[in-house]
Amino acid sequence: GQQVMQIPQYQHVQEGEDFTTYCNSSTTLSNIQWYKQRPGGHPVFLIQLVKSGEVKKQKRLTFQFGEAKKNSSLHITATQTTDVGTYFCLLIQGAQKLVFGQGTRLTINP
Amino acid sequence: GAGVSQSPSNKVTEKGKDVELRCDPISGHTALYWYRQSLGQGLEFLIYFQGNSAPDKSGLPSDRFSAERTGGSVSTLTIQRTQQEDSAVYLCASSFGLAGVGEQYFGPGTRLTVT
Repeated sequence: GQQVMQIPQYQHVQEGEDFTTYCNSSTTLSNIQWYKQRPGGHPVFLIQLVKSGEVKKQKRLTFQFGEAKKNSSLHITATQTTDVGTYFCLLIQGAQKLVFGQGTRLTINP
Repeated sequence: GAGVSQSPSNKVTEKGKDVELRCDPISGHTALYWYRQSLGQGLEFLIYFQGNSAPDKSGLPSDRFSAERTGGSVSTLTIQRTQQEDSAVYLCASSFGLAGVGEQYFGPGTRLTVT
């Protein structure tokens, strides 16, 4: 079955430093989505990537989808305290097989 | 319009009792999903509905778990003979169109505690 690895599990940074989380799939994906969950909250959709090699930007956030559609990354430039939370990737294979990554918990020292 | 709603928000039950969790998706959303999140853990996919159909039930943890959706709207997740390991936050989400294609909107969750 489909396996996913999301790394790192935890990341602590100083405010202003960059942050990256990676998701790797054992199988080729149809598309991938990224979600953010604030402490005590529920996941909130950030972005969806569909095309091979796709790169999308949202202000300080940059999302990439690998050429083979097996991996993806989320990069935050110059983190702010509002970026605190857990970032999850959601891997979607054909026939609506959905698997969430384990999540990367980001904490920030102001 | 209203977002995804779930009820109850909290449920404390005794081991061995049955519980029913309810999800009201966003109106018009044809896909509905159930997830489970244990304390400090990631999201475990349980089941999804496309309309009233659940094509894949393999994510349900055991045969004590069942789910249904009627009228393409409200869904209920039922846990029979609850066990302590069932304690978790149960999250429901819905999306427009085909499952897995669109943005998922999550409800606030039901926190289940089995004593």
